[in-house]
Amino acid sequence: QKEVEQDPGPLSVPEGAIVSLNCTYSNSAFQYFMWYRQYSRKGPELLMYTYSSGNKEDGRFTAQVDKSSKYISLFIRDSQPSDSATYLCAMSKGAQKLVFGQGTRLTINP
Amino acid sequence: NAGVTQTPKFRILKIGQSMTLQCTQDMNHNYMYWYRQDPGMGLKLIYYSVGAGITDKGEVPNGYNVSRSTTEDFPLRLELAAPSQTSVYFCASSYKQGEGETQYFGPGTRLLVL
Repeated sequence: QKEVEQDPGPLSVPEGAIVSLNCTYSNSAFQYFMWYRQYSRKGPELLMYTYSSGNKEDGRFTAQVDKSSKYISLFIRDSQPSDSATYLCAMSKGAQKLVFGQGTRLTINP
Repeated sequence: NAGVTQTPKFRILKIGQSMTLQCTQDMNHNYMYWYRQDPGMGLKLIYYSVGAGITDKGEVPNGYNVSRSTTEDFPLRLELAAPSQTSVYFCASSYKQGEGETQYFGPGTRLLVL
């Protein structure tokens, strides 16, 4: 069983839709949860970061962590074509290395 | 401030050839990482370094070597290229490891081994 599981998609939605991206994990020691966005032929860049459980909102993006279910989500409201990218979840425990999910390829259709 | 730079952008190798992928960062970060990314497989850590002169293996180190003689540079060496090493390679750096610290990625090197 992989430590972090993420549906690779691809996921295709119309512009303006609400998008939900999810990851599950098996290691209950994970405390730091991150979402990276990767445009085609580019390196990943940090999009959202959450410590422990709870929600965090940044503009159209909301990151949610449910440690009791070992489940994290990224919601994108009013999705735009510019949001088309691969989204990678990543997590770590303490000062340990990041563990990445497989990434979900998202396309927003105008 | 260029961030993390990688060269070359693309390379085709024949089986058995060797090459070095270059990575440089100008953020004075202690930690540097090499990942490979295969389609639908996410990022797998090859090697990492916690500072000049100190390196350690990641999840998939076989077939690769690294060195870290300066804070800025972290080259990745492929000694005997194999088709299984066809991938996109990303270098990253961070000020510290874990604890929510951001990793900054380079643009990647696409490698094709034939």
